[in-house]
Amino acid sequence: EPEVTQTPSHQVTQMGQEVILRCVPISNHLYFYWYRQILGQKVEFLVSFYNNEISEKSEIFDDQFSVERPDGSNFTLKIRSTKLEDSAMYFCASRREYSGNTIYFGEGSWLTVV
Amino acid sequence: DAKTTQPNSMESNEEEPVHLPCNHSTISGTDYIHWYRQLPSQGPEYVIHGLTSNVNNRMASLAIAEDRKSSTLILHRATLRDAAVYYCILRDVWRDDKIIFGKGTRLHILP
Repeated sequence: EPEVTQTPSHQVTQMGQEVILRCVPISNHLYFYWYRQILGQKVEFLVSFYNNEISEKSEIFDDQFSVERPDGSNFTLKIRSTKLEDSAMYFCASRREYSGNTIYFGEGSWLTVV
Repeated sequence: DAKTTQPNSMESNEEEPVHLPCNHSTISGTDYIHWYRQLPSQGPEYVIHGLTSNVNNRMASLAIAEDRKSSTLILHRATLRDAAVYYCILRDVWRDDKIIFGKGTRLHILP
């Protein structure tokens, strides 16, 4: 069964450093998402992306965050200047064409900011 | 997304059926009922979804009340691997792109 794959599985970074989290969505999917989950809390929506542009973003997704689909296969989340409170599990997700289709999630990238 | 209400946690014995309830009294006509689960240290995983009729798949069954204001996810024979947080989510197929997760029900399976 096709999977959403994410790298790295775990990254430790210094506060203020830039981090890029990478995702390879399922190949025929057109809608892409990033979510995050702070330890012990709910899974929170960050951003959705379609047709090479952001379609929706949450209040969490401020100017420190950006997303990109640089080469038609990878989907990246960049955090420009990490803060301690960015420590969380970040999930990439994707789905096929029409609304209502199942959203498939990756295994997550655990980010620790020290 | 319309609001759903689930118990915070439930327990069940291994190899017994589990019925996970969800209330969604403000459901609209175009809201599908979706269930996802999150196993420990993993990403959310799709389980099942339905609109009006009961649904079955290899993972579970979904029983939907006639007035659609509640539903029940049924795991027919729970295993230790089914210990997870189960999320009941309403999605309007014409409007809702993303999924909004609540707190879900944490299901504990006792050996």
